[in-house]
Amino acid sequence: NAGVTQTPKFRVLKTGQSMTLLCAQDMNHEYMYWYRQDPGMGLRLIHYSVGEGTTAKGEVPDGYNVSRLKKQNFLLGLESAAPSQTSVYFCASMDPGNTQYFGPGTRLTVL
Amino acid sequence: GESVGLHLPTLSVQEGDNSIINCAYSNSASDYFIWYKQESGKGPQFIIDIRSNMDKRQGQRVTVLLNKTVKHLSLQIAATQPGDSAVYFCAENTGFQKLVFGTGTRLLVSP
Repeated sequence: NAGVTQTPKFRVLKTGQSMTLLCAQDMNHEYMYWYRQDPGMGLRLIHYSVGEGTTAKGEVPDGYNVSRLKKQNFLLGLESAAPSQTSVYFCASMDPGNTQYFGPGTRLTVL
Repeated sequence: GESVGLHLPTLSVQEGDNSIINCAYSNSASDYFIWYKQESGKGPQFIIDIRSNMDKRQGQRVTVLLNKTVKHLSLQIAATQPGDSAVYFCAENTGFQKLVFGTGTRLLVSP
């Protein structure tokens, strides 16, 4: 039981490049989330999903897209990266008791 | 709007002391609260939770207190150890399976 995993762990992009962050969970959770964490701040919700094939916007969705084609996977895409998207990205899934479990994070730098 | 905040950004304690980390919330309709611990370079880790129909819950060396009258939440860590050094976040369930996180308190434990 690996819990929540994220790939890649680190990435450096140039402005305008695109990339996809992958999140996988093996706990059969319906709900999954993508957050970003900036220095000195808490986690801010980007997008979330309440089940396979569904997605919804969070607090800071602009510049990001997501897909949930399979229940265990939640992908976060950046179509045209900007320096303001430099951050640490965390994925989480939630159990039926409303407890969220987090992945180890992806550190993204946009130059 | 709803918000979750913390009184102190950094708390320094001696090993063996008891630590108290505080959190204020503004949404009186919130029904579920969670404390997370985040070590450097890792994702947030669930510590303990409490539902709004309780005012106290105890775990192993940790206790969470909830005061709904003043919308205040605290995390008490007994006999603090160097391994407790981390950033602690409180999070508030807004009622739509989404969490709102505070900015975090850094706990520093010196030997």
